[in-house]
Amino acid sequence: GAVVSQHPSRVICKSGTSVKIECRSLDFQATTMFWYRQFPKQSLMLMATSNEGSKATYEQGVEKDKFLINHASLTLSTLTVTSAHPEDSSFYICSAWVSGTYSYEQYFGPGTRLTVT
Amino acid sequence: QKEVEQNSGPLSVPEGAIASLNCTYSDRGSQSFFWYRQYSGKSPELIMFIYSNGDKEDGRFTAQLNKASQYVSLLIRDSQPSDSATYLCAANTGTASKLTFGTGTRLQVTL
Repeated sequence: GAVVSQHPSRVICKSGTSVKIECRSLDFQATTMFWYRQFPKQSLMLMATSNEGSKATYEQGVEKDKFLINHASLTLSTLTVTSAHPEDSSFYICSAWVSGTYSYEQYFGPGTRLTVT
Repeated sequence: QKEVEQNSGPLSVPEGAIASLNCTYSDRGSQSFFWYRQYSGKSPELIMFIYSNGDKEDGRFTAQLNKASQYVSLLIRDSQPSDSATYLCAANTGTASKLTFGTGTRLQVTL
């Protein structure tokens, strides 16, 4: 079953507004979560690493003031796209590591499709 | 730059055949390797991971790792049309560190 959830699954917003996307770990604690963005027919692009209780680590070229990440608890990370523009329309996906007895596996949430009009 | 490389495809195989997906990586410090399947419009789904040299089998899937050659592969036996998707190879250098993804190989299983 799903171990990482995201909400909403789809959102349409007007240009200039802000949108918040939630990523939750189900039945486990995630001190670290990752946020990705994927444009149509392109590969996954890591945007940032979200760390519980501390500042997120952004990848080169990702505007930290535009993509606000908050990881306030061990089961919830949020990504806020501020002052969204049509070029921010994309598929946003979060992920988290799940530890097993002998391994770590990274699972993805179902994704949030953002359309900015 | 640390990279994971895959042939973008499409790789076309007939139903029932073996599909072989390949991946190379440049960072010799890579420790763990993951294969994800991504259907169009959906998020990636973990298929298998491998840490040690050799083969690892899970149902119709076999992952192969050769650290000396910096090569990872995924074999899909008895390919089905439902296996048609993009397969992403990923590597990381430490426990729970960020993954480096390849661009993915699109697999088409034809009837």
